[in-house]
Amino acid sequence: QKEVEQNSGPLSVPEGAIASLNCTYSDRVSQSFFWYRQYSGKSPELIMSIYSNGDKEDGRFTAQLNKASQYVSLLIRDSQPSDSATYLCAVWFPGANNLFFGTGTRLTVIP
Amino acid sequence: DTAVSQTPKYLVTQMGNDKSIKCEQNLGHDTMYWYKQDSKKFLKIMFSYNNKELIINETVPNRFSPKSPDKAHLNLHINSLELGDSAVYFCASSQVGTPLHFGNGTRLTVT
Repeated sequence: QKEVEQNSGPLSVPEGAIASLNCTYSDRVSQSFFWYRQYSGKSPELIMSIYSNGDKEDGRFTAQLNKASQYVSLLIRDSQPSDSATYLCAVWFPGANNLFFGTGTRLTVIP
Repeated sequence: DTAVSQTPKYLVTQMGNDKSIKCEQNLGHDTMYWYKQDSKKFLKIMFSYNNKELIINETVPNRFSPKSPDKAHLNLHINSLELGDSAVYFCASSQVGTPLHFGNGTRLTVT
């Protein structure tokens, strides 16, 4: 069973706070993990990719991966109203040779 | 230049009709995909295809068929459209295991 699970939210944080988005996946052999942001009516856009255990930082975004726990997260520091969107966790399942998405977490940053 | 382009952007049609959505990518990627996003924003893989292999999600009705005239194109043909087919359909492309690049989506409405 190929599963990627996220809390659907909505998640609301005040402007300037840290937003924490979580994701778990079912396939222990997965090696490639991605976070996409999707604004309403738009297509998903890649914001982070991570392949190794630990943290990966890019500007205000930090992705965290723990393969032993089959867990990947995204932290958004100094959240801005423009960060309000749905965030999709995606995991490459080698056995299926495809990318599977979680249901997404809707984030609202309150000014 | 648009990396992944799909047409039309909007498609309104009646039940029972047959329709096609076209997709083209100019990124030189080996693999192309079709995803369906329902009203709850869940992105579900329908097909992935490269010049060697077609991978079909087993839950996709056989009324849906991908057609690839060449490596840069993957069109989606739908027969006997049903109300439940209403959704946004996204085309994407990638190299295996790397992030997907999405088209802008086609909003299909079946009346």
